[in-house]
Amino acid sequence: SQTIHQWPATLVQPVGSPLSLECTVEGTSNPNLYWYRQAAGRGLQLLFYSVGIGQISSEVPQNLSASRPQDRQFILSSKKLLLSDSGFYLCAWSATSVPYNEQFFGPGTRLTVL
Amino acid sequence: AQSVSQHNHHVILSEAASLELGCNYSYGGTVNLFWYVQYPGQHLQLLLKYFSGDPLVKGIKGFEAEFIKSKFSFNLRKPSVQWSDTAEYFCAVNAGHYGQNFVFGPGTRLSVLP
Repeated sequence: SQTIHQWPATLVQPVGSPLSLECTVEGTSNPNLYWYRQAAGRGLQLLFYSVGIGQISSEVPQNLSASRPQDRQFILSSKKLLLSDSGFYLCAWSATSVPYNEQFFGPGTRLTVL
Repeated sequence: AQSVSQHNHHVILSEAASLELGCNYSYGGTVNLFWYVQYPGQHLQLLLKYFSGDPLVKGIKGFEAEFIKSKFSFNLRKPSVQWSDTAEYFCAVNAGHYGQNFVFGPGTRLSVLP
């Protein structure tokens, strides 16, 4: 069966510091991968998606970037964190073999920028 | 771009009461529809989905949803809620082949009183 991992689970970082959040998927090949930010009362906002290695599409211009160095690895980064980057970050995957398919979510990372 | 609205921010019910959570979307083309649930401290998980066919779909834990195309609605129902249904519920629409247009509603928090 497929599983999705995210780490760290929680992170507290000072303003101006770099960020790296990692997501890996097991049990599937060539998944579509996604990064979301979840804000209370505002649902989930899609930040980035990837349909293949090295292919990243950004939905929202911001202080963050994403990379996909391997088929089942998706990384969310920042060179200098802002206070507004605080939030709950979710990674998700969907199967490319089924168009319009549902997404499966990881446990999330709670990021606090001080 | 499509959008998703959910009628209630917070719903409070007693056990055994009936539940209906409203969801409306705005998109004129083909969409797939989903309800996700996030129990306290747990992953976001799929409750049910509609792709095509019978507009009344059944999901896990006794939930069902009805797709009414003319009303652009996909309301979630359960005839008798339990305390364990306390969670946040998200309606979502996927109008993109790769999930790049996977849009979530703001969520409805359900509190079930024992």
